[in-house]
Amino acid sequence: GQNIDQPTEMTATEGAIVQINCTYQTSGFNGLFWYQQHAGEAPTFLSYNVLDGLEEKGRFSSFLSRSKGYSYLLLKELQMKDSASYLCAEQAGTALIFGKGTTLSVSS
Amino acid sequence: DSGVTQTPKHLITATGQRVTLRCSPRSGDLSVYWYQQSLDQGLQFLIQYYNGEERAKGNILERFSAQQFPDLHSELNLSSLELGDSALYFCASSARGVGTEAFFGQGTRLTVV
Repeated sequence: GQNIDQPTEMTATEGAIVQINCTYQTSGFNGLFWYQQHAGEAPTFLSYNVLDGLEEKGRFSSFLSRSKGYSYLLLKELQMKDSASYLCAEQAGTALIFGKGTTLSVSS
Repeated sequence: DSGVTQTPKHLITATGQRVTLRCSPRSGDLSVYWYQQSLDQGLQFLIQYYNGEERAKGNILERFSAQQFPDLHSELNLSSLELGDSALYFCASSARGVGTEAFFGQGTRLTVV
């Protein structure tokens, strides 16, 4: 079955770097997604990894290790607007299964 | 604007009632996902359709059902509503069933009183 784990909460300061980890256990792996969700709003897509390695997109990067069932989202040069929930989601077969999310609070 | 439209935005109804939530996917997207998000829970996957056919099923209660129509819009039907069904219901669409990002609608906030 699916079991996606990520930390519940993290805090950081403006300008810092933060890494949000995600582990998953499933069969039929078809990719790992990261989404950002501000309170009361819809999730928005950040990144997708299907092969091992690092994908970089501006201030955000995402890493995947399929053998370890592990991914992380790296956020650099943190800004106050980055305060949000970050959701790790695994595509298992065709279903897109989300973890409970990591609430990141950025302070000045 | 993600291009995914959900109606209504808000819905207040009484216990025991039945409601229908509607989702219009982005133009050209064949896959539709439904999720439930409660205050203390993450996004719970309910069901997925692809080009009119059910493709994957998650933790969807028997009181809930969904379908995707030939024009690719989808409806989620919730019946015999309970207080615990109060939540934000999201629809998302993607171009294909696998390997493409899903775009989310703004959600329908359901309150059962």
